[in-house]
Amino acid sequence: DTEVTQTPKHLVMGMTNKKSLKCEQHMGHRAMYWYKQKAKKPPELMFVYSYEKLSINESVPSRFSPECPNSSLLNLHLHALQPEDSALYLCASSQGQGLAGGSEQYFGPGTRLTVT
Amino acid sequence: GQNIDQPTEMTATEGAIVQINCTYQTSGFNGLFWYQQHAGEAPTFLSYNVLDGLEEKGRFSSFLSRSKGYSYLLLKELQMKDSASYLCAVMDSGAGSYQLTFGKGTKLSVIP
Repeated sequence: DTEVTQTPKHLVMGMTNKKSLKCEQHMGHRAMYWYKQKAKKPPELMFVYSYEKLSINESVPSRFSPECPNSSLLNLHLHALQPEDSALYLCASSQGQGLAGGSEQYFGPGTRLTVT
Repeated sequence: GQNIDQPTEMTATEGAIVQINCTYQTSGFNGLFWYQQHAGEAPTFLSYNVLDGLEEKGRFSSFLSRSKGYSYLLLKELQMKDSASYLCAVMDSGAGSYQLTFGKGTKLSVIP
């Protein structure tokens, strides 16, 4: 099973709203990721959690707040977003990182976010 | 930082073979990945190379030369469903953390 699930599939929110994106995997993976992908662009890394600790934060604005409640779950809390934040938000997980093996990342289907 | 370069678009005929090239520059190489992404869908893992040489997986093969900073993805017996974007991604280690950076992707169109 190489499934990563994400909810919701689609989200429309106003600039004053607070919402959360959710991601779940049951593959026993110890690293989880959030990416942002704009149309016709490659995914851009936002956050990396390794063993439930935030290991990479790519200078993402504070209106995006990640949370890793346990090794299977990853959330992205959204607050006071801007229209330019509209994008596909992808969650991914991997067994590990680096040359130790199992570093390939498996992606969820994404949440298509529209900020109005 | 990293610099990953791949062609923007390619067109090939059903049943043919196509090679998608990727060149990269990185300071802490930890492997190169190829992903397939259909429009509106998430990327799907295709292959991983960390040592020089060819990795074959069915109709798809991937090659790596670390000294040249070069990889290619070879797709054989092309099918219409292979029309998608193919993303080259490099795993880099810096300051003890691992980060995957994607190239801009090559949009492959398979025509009858």
